Amino acid sequence: NAGVMQNPRHLVRRRGQEARLRCSPMKGHSHVYWYRQLPEEGLKFMVYLQKENIIDESGMPKERFSAEFPKEGPSILRIQQVVRGDSAAYFCASSTDRSRGNTIYFGEGSWLTVV
Amino acid sequence: GNSVTQMEGPVTLSEEAFLTINCTYTATGYPSLFWYVQYPGEGLQLLLKATKADDKGSNKGFEATYRKETTSFHLEKGSVQVSDSAVYFCALRLRYNFNKFYFGSGTKLNVKP
Repeated sequence: NAGVMQNPRHLVRRRGQEARLRCSPMKGHSHVYWYRQLPEEGLKFMVYLQKENIIDESGMPKERFSAEFPKEGPSILRIQQVVRGDSAAYFCASSTDRSRGNTIYFGEGSWLTVV
Repeated sequence: GNSVTQMEGPVTLSEEAFLTINCTYTATGYPSLFWYVQYPGEGLQLLLKATKADDKGSNKGFEATYRKETTSFHLEKGSVQVSDSAVYFCALRLRYNFNKFYFGSGTKLNVKP
């Protein structure tokens, strides 16, 4: 049973380019979360999605960032017109439901470097 | 607001030494508390958790007790091994918004043989 799969593991983009990070949740999981870890900081919540729905995007920057979780395929975190400050590790997590006792499982992260 | 503060690393210990990693929190509600571990090149894994005051979470020889009076959840292990070398994250989750975790900045542990 594969865990949460993220790709690419490492991505280098020039300023102004677009970055797309993909996350395939664990089998049977329909809830996906994205977190960002800036250098020397803890993980910060970005967005929570279910299939075809954004449930909570309170942690998403207002501009340039978007996320989706289509009916088929992985969840995508998209960053348009990247800037140096977007350089970070982006972690995806998934769970079976949103009940109080649920355990969420994290992927290995995608490291974005903007040059 | 909600936040988690944990001791800065790296923490370097010899094998079989006693480990304490301090974690304190502030929360607007009644949180559940967690420790996650990240081994080199891997994702975060849940190490242990506690959901109410005075609960003790334990796993793989690690323990942490939920102390409401001191708002703390310190991680301890009596005898560390080289294989425990990793980054440890303390986190909280509120009962009314259990989709969102608040993480500390992580503490890197290096255990030398």
